[in-house]
Amino acid sequence: RKEVEQDPGPFNVPEGATVAFNCTYSNSASQSFFWYRQDCRKEPKLLMSVYSSGNEDGRFTAQLNRASQYISLLIRDSKLSDSATYLCVVNMGSNYQLIWGAGTKLIIKP
Amino acid sequence: NAGVTQTPKFQVLKTGQSMTLQCAQDMNHNSMYWYRQDPGMGLRLIYYSASEGTTDKGEVPNGYNVSRLNKREFSLRLESAAPSQTSVYFCASSGPGTTDYEQYFGPGTRLTVT
Repeated sequence: RKEVEQDPGPFNVPEGATVAFNCTYSNSASQSFFWYRQDCRKEPKLLMSVYSSGNEDGRFTAQLNRASQYISLLIRDSKLSDSATYLCVVNMGSNYQLIWGAGTKLIIKP
Repeated sequence: NAGVTQTPKFQVLKTGQSMTLQCAQDMNHNSMYWYRQDPGMGLRLIYYSASEGTTDKGEVPNGYNVSRLNKREFSLRLESAAPSQTSVYFCASSGPGTTDYEQYFGPGTRLTVT
């Protein structure tokens, strides 16, 4: 079993819709969690950190469920510019112990 | 600020050739990293440098060497390229502390080994 698993997609979603995807992790000792965004043929960029209490940044909401060992990302009122691959990242205790998911591809259609 | 820069952007090598990928950051970060990204897989850490003068192996170091030339620069060398090293290579940096988790990435180098 992979340490960090994501549905590769693609998720094809009409503009304005709400979309959510999950990421599961296998190690219960995982300490912190992040979502990165990667545009086609570009570098990853941090989208948001995921806190135990959940966090929201505009149209984006991230949640953590430690009991079931998954994190989620919800995007409301999706825009064409949200089309990208979303990478789930789990931190095992330091910057040198990041486990990266393979990503979920999201395509927003007009 | 340029952030993290990498050269070259693209490279084609024949099996057995060598090359060095260059990376530099202007954010005064202590930590720097080299990753590779392959289709269907998450980023995998090749080597990292926690500070100037130190380097350590990551998950997939075989076939690679690194040099932390100074605080700004961290290079990755392939001594004898193999087709299995065909990949996209990203350099990243973070810091100045060890708990500043956000990593800043360069634009990547697309390497093909034939």
